[in-house]
Amino acid sequence: DQQVKQNSPSLSVQEGRISILNCDYTNSMFDYFLWYKKYPAEGPTFLISISSIKDKNEDGRFTVFLNKSAKHLSLHIVPSQPGDSAVYFCAASSAGTALIFGKGTTLSVSS
Amino acid sequence: KAGVTQTPRYLIKTRGQQVTLSCSPISGHRSVSWYQQTPGQGLQFLFEYFSETQRNKGNFPGRFSGRQFSNSRSEMNVSTLELGDSALYLCASSLAGGSTGELFFGEGSRLTVL
Repeated sequence: DQQVKQNSPSLSVQEGRISILNCDYTNSMFDYFLWYKKYPAEGPTFLISISSIKDKNEDGRFTVFLNKSAKHLSLHIVPSQPGDSAVYFCAASSAGTALIFGKGTTLSVSS
Repeated sequence: KAGVTQTPRYLIKTRGQQVTLSCSPISGHRSVSWYQQTPGQGLQFLFEYFSETQRNKGNFPGRFSGRQFSNSRSEMNVSTLELGDSALYLCASSLAGGSTGELFFGEGSRLTVL
């Protein structure tokens, strides 16, 4: 049973445009959500997070939106850059539990 | 500050053998988590250790085991290797665990089972 779902395996965007990566979750107990980025041959690195008491968190070009009623979160990257090309993982947790990851979305930004 | 170090980086084993992977967390981090990454399956949680105690465990068979030492270093072991165990095994450390803060990942140990 997959608790964190990223239904789009891949996304292609042109440089300068907006990239929107989506994530759905099924466990209503999740209260902390994160996005990680992974380049080939490297470990995932933390990008941005949001707690369930917020509906938006912004960090430079990256914004995460949380819709608790829909159990949905999204990551917006504006403007997208070729260096953003990577695999993006959505992750969620609740108190005392491990961080559960989705399967990832491969973002390709073309110049 | 040194990051998370995993050894070995690459290894090849044959079916039926066993393997031990090592992880040295960031200094001061007491939580170590292990994940398996395979194509199309994302990062699947194996187990989490905190202060030498297993705190959480994923849905993997008993062939997968781990432990944490008093210096927070961790090892995971896979016995009776199967072809499907071929994967990138990632270790991540944090101050108190994934539910309370971000995880810092190592570069992983890539295991190939022939």
